[in-house]
Amino acid sequence: GENVEQHPSTLSVQEGDSAVIKCTYSDSASNYFPWYKQELGKRPQLIIDIRSNVGEKKDQRIAVTLNKTAKHFSLHITETQPEDSAVYFCAPNSGYSTLTFGKGTMLLVSP
Amino acid sequence: NAGVTQTPKFRILKIGQSMTLQCAQDMNHNYMYWYRQDPGMGLKLIYYSVGAGITDKGEVPNGYNVSRSTTEDFPLRLELAAPSQTSVYFCASSTPGAGGLESSYNEQFFGPGTRLTVL
Repeated sequence: GENVEQHPSTLSVQEGDSAVIKCTYSDSASNYFPWYKQELGKRPQLIIDIRSNVGEKKDQRIAVTLNKTAKHFSLHITETQPEDSAVYFCAPNSGYSTLTFGKGTMLLVSP
Repeated sequence: NAGVTQTPKFRILKIGQSMTLQCAQDMNHNYMYWYRQDPGMGLKLIYYSVGAGITDKGEVPNGYNVSRSTTEDFPLRLELAAPSQTSVYFCASSTPGAGGLESSYNEQFFGPGTRLTVL
């Protein structure tokens, strides 16, 4: 099965700083790379995703970059705000119908 | 649309008891999933279904059973509850891609979760 690792496990930044979370995966057949955000006590929600024929995708302050050769993709958040504080999960597609979730990165944004 | 709904929100079970966690979606999604999330951990797939009448095991199926008799509902059954099953359970649904690289997978929509404690 797919092995997924996220780094770092915890990230503390000051408001306005940038944050980068990296996800490495093992299955070279993976072709879909989403990031989910889970606020405390809430359900996970998709915030951005990328397909394997695209190297980068941006949506306002968040972006995802993909390096298929090295089998990793990263979440970039610029101009962080306190409401960005949450746990972020990568979940590369390990098969046509399932995702494998990483263990998560807790992002803490201090005002 | 209500999206994905789950009942109950909270439940405390005694060791050895059984219960069914309910999940329903009104988005006509073919795919449905059950995950468990232990404190400080990621989501682990218990069972999933790609359509009515079709189910398959995920990473951690032991101690659980599922059925999918309709597109809308995907209940999760716990038999002989054990303390190791204390967790938050999330149900999710998605649509399959239409095919091709651009649409080989789609977003999963999660329910609000059921917090289960086994004492």
